[in-house]
Amino acid sequence: QQQVKQSPQSLIVQKGGISIINCAYENTAFDYFPWYQQFPGKGPALLIAIRPDVSEKKEGRFTISFNKSAKQFSLHIMDSQPGDSATYFCAARGRLGGGADGLTFGKGTHLIIQP
Amino acid sequence: DTAVSQTPKYLVTQMGNDKSIKCEQNLGHDTMYWYKQDSKKFLKIMFSYNNKELIINETVPNRFSPKSPDKAHLNLHINSLELGDSAVYFCASSQPYTRANVLTFGAGSRLTVL
Repeated sequence: QQQVKQSPQSLIVQKGGISIINCAYENTAFDYFPWYQQFPGKGPALLIAIRPDVSEKKEGRFTISFNKSAKQFSLHIMDSQPGDSATYFCAARGRLGGGADGLTFGKGTHLIIQP
Repeated sequence: DTAVSQTPKYLVTQMGNDKSIKCEQNLGHDTMYWYKQDSKKFLKIMFSYNNKELIINETVPNRFSPKSPDKAHLNLHINSLELGDSAVYFCASSQPYTRANVLTFGAGSRLTVL
């Protein structure tokens, strides 16, 4: 069964600190690794994504680090702000039931940035 | 303009009732999805339609029946509602075979079964 394991389940970081969320996957056929951000009462929204042939991608304060040999990837939020408080999901794209491509999500990390 | 819109946003009903959730996307995407998010925030795919054709049907009770009248609409009908059906249901869409194949989610429909 395809799995994406995400940790920690919850995370509290002081304003200005670095938030780090980790994910690990098993299926080497996954070909795309997005991160989604979800605020309360809203749907998840794409934050940043990476392909497995790249080891790092940075967009503003958000960076994905990707380790293909270890089958791990992580999200780093630099200079974390209270507005970053949300639930973060890692995901991986691959074949789902029925043979169609789709995203498998990690279980989410509830991030709280304390002022 | 809302890209993926779902109605209703909130739904409270009794066990045994039948209810529907509607979804529309104006992004011109070919693929639409239903995801279920439980109380622990876990997102699980339920169904996927590509251009009105069912392509993904994960292990979901047959009380759940999706219907796609056209590629811009994907509705979810639930028969004989059970307490365990209480969750937030998200509709999403994407354009397959593109570099990104990014999912765009709606705001969710919170279903509470009493």
